[in-house]
Amino acid sequence: AQTVTQSQPEMSVQEAETVTLSCTYDTSESNYYLFWYKQPPSRQMILVIRQEAYKQQNATENRFSVNFQKAAKSFSLKISDSQLGDTAMYFCAFMPIQGAQKLVFGQGTRLTINP
Amino acid sequence: GAVVSQHPSWVICKSGTSVKIECRSLDFQATTMFWYRQFPKQSLMLMATSNEGSKATYEQGVEKDKFLINHASLTLSTLTVTSAHPEDSSFYICSATPGLAEETQYFGPGTRLLVL
Repeated sequence: AQTVTQSQPEMSVQEAETVTLSCTYDTSESNYYLFWYKQPPSRQMILVIRQEAYKQQNATENRFSVNFQKAAKSFSLKISDSQLGDTAMYFCAFMPIQGAQKLVFGQGTRLTINP
Repeated sequence: GAVVSQHPSWVICKSGTSVKIECRSLDFQATTMFWYRQFPKQSLMLMATSNEGSKATYEQGVEKDKFLINHASLTLSTLTVTSAHPEDSSFYICSATPGLAEETQYFGPGTRLLVL
């Protein structure tokens, strides 16, 4: 069974700083997807970024980028120039390509951006 | 694009009654929809997976007779909590995926259920 681990329950940084959220996963699959979702206080789950495991290039979306290390099974999220609106729970998730395509979520990291 | 809605956003009901929650994909056809439950300050727990026109697949430990799921069309799935009890109080979230090589799940805004 796949597992996803987020070792940082909470993080707090000042506005405009850069912050990195950690995520590791365990799987025997060779092809899969990895995601970072954001859940602000409204509790709406929002896709932040997605990475296909077969792609070596790290995904980027504006201020958000990932460091995908397949051999180490690590998938960290870097938020540059953090903004107050980035305050949220961040969930790392894994999805195998084969099978039912169910998401496996990590425990989440609560990120607070301070003014 | 890729908008998913849920209705209602908030529901309070008496113990023993049934509650239906709707999940709709507004701008795409969803081959698969998922239902999650989230307890306060915890991650999402997958309850079941539904495909249009077929029976839902429930995760281990989820009572299928208590949580009835119907995926009647490519844009609508419903979750009915039957004979609700206070321990069913939770935040329920649905997600939908277009399929056809688009595997990303898009989430609805969630439904908060309080059973008195």
